[in-house]
Amino acid sequence: GAGVSQTPSNKVTEKGKYVELRCDPISGHTALYWYRQSLGQGPEFLIYFQGTGAADDSGLPNDRFFAVRPEGSVSTLKIQRTERGDSAVYLCASSLRGHYNEQFFGPGTRLTVL
Amino acid sequence: AQSVTQPDIHITVSEGASLELRCNYSYGATPYLFWYVQSPGQGLQLLLKYFSGDTLVQGIKGFEAEFKRSQSSFNLRKPSVHWSDAAEYFCAVGPINTGGFKTIFGAGTRLFVKA
Repeated sequence: GAGVSQTPSNKVTEKGKYVELRCDPISGHTALYWYRQSLGQGPEFLIYFQGTGAADDSGLPNDRFFAVRPEGSVSTLKIQRTERGDSAVYLCASSLRGHYNEQFFGPGTRLTVL
Repeated sequence: AQSVTQPDIHITVSEGASLELRCNYSYGATPYLFWYVQSPGQGLQLLLKYFSGDTLVQGIKGFEAEFKRSQSSFNLRKPSVHWSDAAEYFCAVGPINTGGFKTIFGAGTRLFVKA
């Protein structure tokens, strides 16, 4: 079956603009995670959804970042008033119910803020 | 604070040689430990995980890892490396028991394989 997909694969924007990054998890996976990976670093946890609700958003760096998952499947990460420091690869992962299960990662969206 | 340390930024081994990638964690409770591999242009893939029980765990692609509580380590090993193993390897611990579900990753070790 299809894996986790993320669109767009690359996004270039200007400082101050708004961006949306989309994640399509594996069908049937109720858990969904967003991570941010900067160059030379490991993935940094942002937010975890179980179904439609954000069960843990403790990793969101500030209130410019927001994520939704209205129907418990596709998720959108939204970044307002982008800053150059937001440039990174944004990864999405999904898993079967429960965070103890294997997370399946998407290929990521590379965000560049000029 | 919880953390994961991978002391080696990069390692080079010859094809056919053995491999050990180091991982140390700082976590107050019994951790859930993972190793992931990230190949160029590929998403992160789980190699193996430790939750409880036997401290030596087997994974895919011939990898294994050993949990040593006394050393707070979870080192990844492979007896004979193949050129296709060249990639970045990440150790992770989670979920962090703060009432949330955070998984913390190390900074990664890049493996180079020479012929």
